Amino acid sequence: TQLLEQSPQFLSIQEGENLTVYCNSSSVFSSLQWYRQEPGEGPVLLVTVVTGGEVKKLKRLTFQFGDARKDSSLHITAAQTGDTGLYLCAGPALNKLIFGTGTLLAVQP
Amino acid sequence: SAVISQKPSRDICQRGTSLTIQCQVDSQVTMMFWYRQQPGQSLTLIATANQGSEATYESGFVIDKFPISRPNLTFSTLTVSNMSPEDSSIYLCSVGVVSAYEQYFGPGTRLTVT
Repeated sequence: TQLLEQSPQFLSIQEGENLTVYCNSSSVFSSLQWYRQEPGEGPVLLVTVVTGGEVKKLKRLTFQFGDARKDSSLHITAAQTGDTGLYLCAGPALNKLIFGTGTLLAVQP
Repeated sequence: SAVISQKPSRDICQRGTSLTIQCQVDSQVTMMFWYRQQPGQSLTLIATANQGSEATYESGFVIDKFPISRPNLTFSTLTVSNMSPEDSSIYLCSVGVVSAYEQYFGPGTRLTVT
């Protein structure tokens, strides 16, 4: 069974701080995605990383796919209150997605 | 991308009753999925809704408890049957536009069973 473990599970930081969220698996994935879910909404796709070692930037968010395609990280620079939400990594498996365990981020003003 | 709406957005139901959740997409899509989520936690896939055939259920979920309809390529329903307080959760539908691996989600239905 393919599992995606995220760490940390919870994170509470002050506005302006930097943070990194990790997504790890013992299995190789052809790609990994990151979603963000704000309270009362469904998850929204942020990025898909496909190539081992790939780095993608989305404004203050930097996503990296591990060289062995077993892990990924999300780094947020100078967090803002609007970054608050649940961050989920996800990987493909047999016509469905496997979602990570989730990281709940709270950015305090 | 796709715009997905769900009805109802929330409901409070008595145990033993059933609730049907509707999911409407603004374009024709092949793949639709139903998930369950506890607040602040990850998603658990209930089933894949297949147009023209029975839904494909994940381990731990059965058709008698969660019957799903998919009459066309833009609409699906999930029924939560004979509800108990353990069914209190957020139910989300999603679609895969290009593939199953990039999904777009509805806003969810927050269900409370008393």
